[in-house]
Amino acid sequence: DGGITQSPKYLFRKEGQNVTLSCEQNLNHDAMYWYRQDPGQGLRLIYYSQIVNDFQKGDIAEGYSVSREKKESFPLTVTSAQKNPTAFYLCASSRRGADTQYFGPGTRLTVL
Amino acid sequence: QKEVEQDPGPLSVPEGAIVSLNCTYSNSAFQYFMWYRQYSRKGPELLMYTYSSGNKEDGRFTAQVDKSSKYISLFIRDSQPSDSATYLCAMSAGSGGYQKVTFGTGTKLQVIP
Repeated sequence: DGGITQSPKYLFRKEGQNVTLSCEQNLNHDAMYWYRQDPGQGLRLIYYSQIVNDFQKGDIAEGYSVSREKKESFPLTVTSAQKNPTAFYLCASSRRGADTQYFGPGTRLTVL
Repeated sequence: QKEVEQDPGPLSVPEGAIVSLNCTYSNSAFQYFMWYRQYSRKGPELLMYTYSSGNKEDGRFTAQVDKSSKYISLFIRDSQPSDSATYLCAMSAGSGGYQKVTFGTGTKLQVIP
């Protein structure tokens, strides 16, 4: 079955630690996205990538980093510079130039 | 003012009711409109996709767009307890290249058996 997988489902991190969230897709989509979802704020775009080896900052990129070395994979690193990292993180993908995005199941990150 | 406004609810209805979910927006360039359904602690699932003004029907779901009023709606007929979820509207200008999608904050719906 084609789809998007995110791991882990739940992640706990101590303050000052970097942590990497995994996102893999087998939809053969060129574009991938990372969003953060907080109560009452909707989805906010962190980073997006339209093609392998290229990515762009979204609206709230500070304290995050990404890489796109393979078409199928778009990992997100939450660094210690992110001041309020506790949130629900969603990865999505789409055909390049398309606005219909398909989402993974999400990772809930909690900073202790 | 947010580009996309959506009442957070919660909206509680009895099973079998017709549900109306709505979003307003301020950017007149938006021409592609989507509705997503998100169950608790899950990722959003694309429900409906429409272009420009008009109606689109898919089973019990009807999406309606009124660009003149900058208002979109999702109607759910014969609502079921399994429809209980948060519904997100989303929209984009579709101007080519990267399509920035702007999401509403979501309306929480509860269908009571």
